[in-house]
Amino acid sequence: DVKVTQSSRYLVKRTGEKVFLECVQDMDHENMFWYRQDPGLGLRLIYFSYDVKMKEKGDIPEGYSVSREKKERFSLILESASTNQTSMYLCASRPLGGNTEAFFGQGTRLTVV
Amino acid sequence: QQPVQSPQAVILREGEDAVINCSSSKALYSVHWYRQKHGEAPVFLMILLKGGEQKGHDKISASFNEKKQQSSLYLTASQLSYSGTYFCGTEMDSSYKLIFGSGTRLLVRP
Repeated sequence: DVKVTQSSRYLVKRTGEKVFLECVQDMDHENMFWYRQDPGLGLRLIYFSYDVKMKEKGDIPEGYSVSREKKERFSLILESASTNQTSMYLCASRPLGGNTEAFFGQGTRLTVV
Repeated sequence: QQPVQSPQAVILREGEDAVINCSSSKALYSVHWYRQKHGEAPVFLMILLKGGEQKGHDKISASFNEKKQQSSLYLTASQLSYSGTYFCGTEMDSSYKLIFGSGTRLLVRP
């Protein structure tokens, strides 16, 4: 079974802190994603990576950065956390191929106080 | 740009049918459908590639109208286990970049 593991299920951070959300997949997938999930807004793409060190902005990249130094790990970084970044964050991975599905992690519920 | 899903929410009795729609303002390469139960990760249902195909999975099927840039998910004879939030995900090209809609909450009651 494909496994996408997010390092924390729940996280509470203070405003202004630098926050790292980690995601690891064990199936050698080339593509990895970070989404933010808010009620009524669905899943919004923050960043997408299609290879090691390669990244592409999604629809809402402001206030976030990402790092992909190894194929299996994709990190989301909040440079200076703000209360409006309180949300559920979902990581996903997807292999190459025209009809491949995305596999999601369990999510990290981040609260910024 | 996010695809638009409708309706936002639907309540059914067990055994009833439902249709969830997904539309885009841009040409689509593929459409994915996922279901997320409360507190769980989204789970893949099916993918439709451009070409106007239709797919089925048990009593859940979907169509993709490439010309209209629309897809519909059909849930037939709904079961309690169908409850959850349904998301469509769209690709504009073969880049693997997947953009999701705002979701449709489906509740099936006994």
